[in-house]
Amino acid sequence: DVKVTQSSRYLVKRTGEKVFLECVQDMDHENMFWYRQDPGLGLRLIYFSYDVKMKEKGDIPEGYSVSREKKERFSLILESASTNQTSMYLCASSLGGYQETQYFGPGTRLLVL
Amino acid sequence: GNSVTQMEGPVTLSEEAFLTINCTYTATGYPSLFWYVQYPGEGLQLLLKATKADDKGSNKGFEATYRKETTSFHLEKGSVQVSDSAVYFCALSDPFQGAQKLVFGQGTRLTINP
Repeated sequence: DVKVTQSSRYLVKRTGEKVFLECVQDMDHENMFWYRQDPGLGLRLIYFSYDVKMKEKGDIPEGYSVSREKKERFSLILESASTNQTSMYLCASSLGGYQETQYFGPGTRLLVL
Repeated sequence: GNSVTQMEGPVTLSEEAFLTINCTYTATGYPSLFWYVQYPGEGLQLLLKATKADDKGSNKGFEATYRKETTSFHLEKGSVQVSDSAVYFCALSDPFQGAQKLVFGQGTRLTINP
């Protein structure tokens, strides 16, 4: 079974802090994704990566950056956390191809005070 | 741009009732369509998918048919169980968008009462 793990289930940070969210997948998938999930808005794509050191902006990249130094690991960075970044963050991975299933981690619930 | 619209929730049903969750989409190309489910405290997992018009995806008693003429992918189940209580997301992936970006609907929360 594909396993996608996220470094924390819950995080509490203060406004202005730099926040790192880590995601690791164990199935050698090319694609990795970061989404945020907010009630009534579904999931919105922040950034994705289709190869090591490659990244592309999603629909809501402002205030975020990403890093993919190894194929299995994709990090989301909040350079200076703000209260409007309080949300559930979900990581996913998939093989290449638009018909492929995305596999999701359990999510990190981030609270920014 | 591409978009997915799901019926508003929450939806509450009794056990063994018939379920329909409506999903319609707008896409520039010929998308693949997905239903994902999120059980309490978990991430999303694929429930079913269909990759071309008139395909029917099915899993765990759920099914959905890709209807190009009505741009719809409604989720149905003939007899729901308490264990089906979850949030359901309809999504599409459009090959003309490049890579594999999923566009999600807003989600429909389903509660099944015994």
